Amino acid sequence: GQQLNQSPQSMFIQEGEDVSMNCTSSSIFNTWLWYKQDPGEGPVLLIALYKAGELTSNGRLTAQFGITRKDSFLNISASIPSDVGIYFCAGFLIQGAQKLVFGQGTRLTINP
Amino acid sequence: IAGITQAPTSQILAAGRRMTLRCTQDMRHNAMYWYRQDLGLGLRLIHYSNTAGTTGKGEVPDGYSVSRANTDDFPLTLASAVPSQTSVYFCASSRDFSNQPQHFGDGTRLSIL
Repeated sequence: GQQLNQSPQSMFIQEGEDVSMNCTSSSIFNTWLWYKQDPGEGPVLLIALYKAGELTSNGRLTAQFGITRKDSFLNISASIPSDVGIYFCAGFLIQGAQKLVFGQGTRLTINP
Repeated sequence: IAGITQAPTSQILAAGRRMTLRCTQDMRHNAMYWYRQDLGLGLRLIHYSNTAGTTGKGEVPDGYSVSRANTDDFPLTLASAVPSQTSVYFCASSRDFSNQPQHFGDGTRLSIL
């Protein structure tokens, strides 16, 4: 099936550092979503992007919809301990049924 | 607080037994989904429903069935559980079956022995 390549798979950073992760695909998407999942909970929507080139912020989080429609990135500025978790990108393909395609996730660990 | 409620939170089940995972949403969303999450495989769609009364197959539908008798409820049934169905199951919903964001419940952790 369709795949999203999410990188990095894991990150180990110091509190206060900025974080960047991205998703790429060979396919074109019309929507990009970024989720965060804490242990024992379901994914929670962080940011939704609907237009190529769109840049959207949610507090310390910023995400962009790539102009080629094949990629997206998520940045977290000045990381804090509660940012720990797994971050997933997801997208809807521009062609075909409206089924959400997920990346494999980026596991973020923060050293205080 | 509006959202999705899944039950049970966790379950240990003997192989061959029948099990129904429950999912209820109070957001009046038209579309609902069931995913399983496995280490290294991410989230995979099992079944979906784009509106009450209709369902469709996802990526990994074998061994599972669903029904959508009304807008709020979307139960997932394992007719005869097998160990490979050990997983964390998430129910999700979206306003409609389009590129609207999906909102997830907190999951059911199911172990088949």
